[in-house]
Amino acid sequence: AQSVTQLGSHVSVSEGALVLLRCNYSSSVPPYLFWYVQYPNQGLQLLLKYTTGATLVKGINGFEAEFKKSETSFHLTKPSAHMSDAAEYFCAVSGNNDMRFGAGTRLTVKP
Amino acid sequence: DTAVSQTPKYLVTQMGNDKSIKCEQNLGHDTMYWYKQDSKKFLKIMFSYNNKELIINETVPNRFSPKSPDKAHLNLHINSLELGDSAVYFCATGDSLGVSGNTIYFGEGSWLTVV
Repeated sequence: AQSVTQLGSHVSVSEGALVLLRCNYSSSVPPYLFWYVQYPNQGLQLLLKYTTGATLVKGINGFEAEFKKSETSFHLTKPSAHMSDAAEYFCAVSGNNDMRFGAGTRLTVKP
Repeated sequence: DTAVSQTPKYLVTQMGNDKSIKCEQNLGHDTMYWYKQDSKKFLKIMFSYNNKELIINETVPNRFSPKSPDKAHLNLHINSLELGDSAVYFCATGDSLGVSGNTIYFGEGSWLTVV
């Protein structure tokens, strides 16, 4: 069965600092990986996804993620945090029938 | 024009009541889902429907019954509500079930509080 593990339930950065949210996956087949963002009292919005091809994937709002098979990782980064990035972030892996999510990482951005 | 819409957004009800949450999508997708998000933000799939046919039914009490009258709608009916049912319920859709890499699109969520 496919699964993802997000390291760190809460990450706090200063405005302008690097954002790094960690995600490791477990899959017996080539994985399809996603990052979603959830703002307070809203649904989940797709940030980016990796299916095949280029391992560095660029998403919306300046986020990107790199698929590293050797490390079974798909970490999310952004060079410079903005106050509006404060939200809950979910890593997910897609199988044939559904999508399985990590436990989420809450990102706090300090002024 | 909202792609995946759920109603109601907020629902407060007493234990033992029966309630329904409705979901409609206008994306033309074949597959619809219900996810439950608990107070710790953990997301767990409950049901998956493809072209009105139940595909996934995770370990969910049989008090929860999904109904798909057509491909664009997937409603969730909950009988005999319990305190532990308090959560946010998300409807979601995706295209081409069985094709990995399928992006799932979420509704805004329905906040259910059982008192």
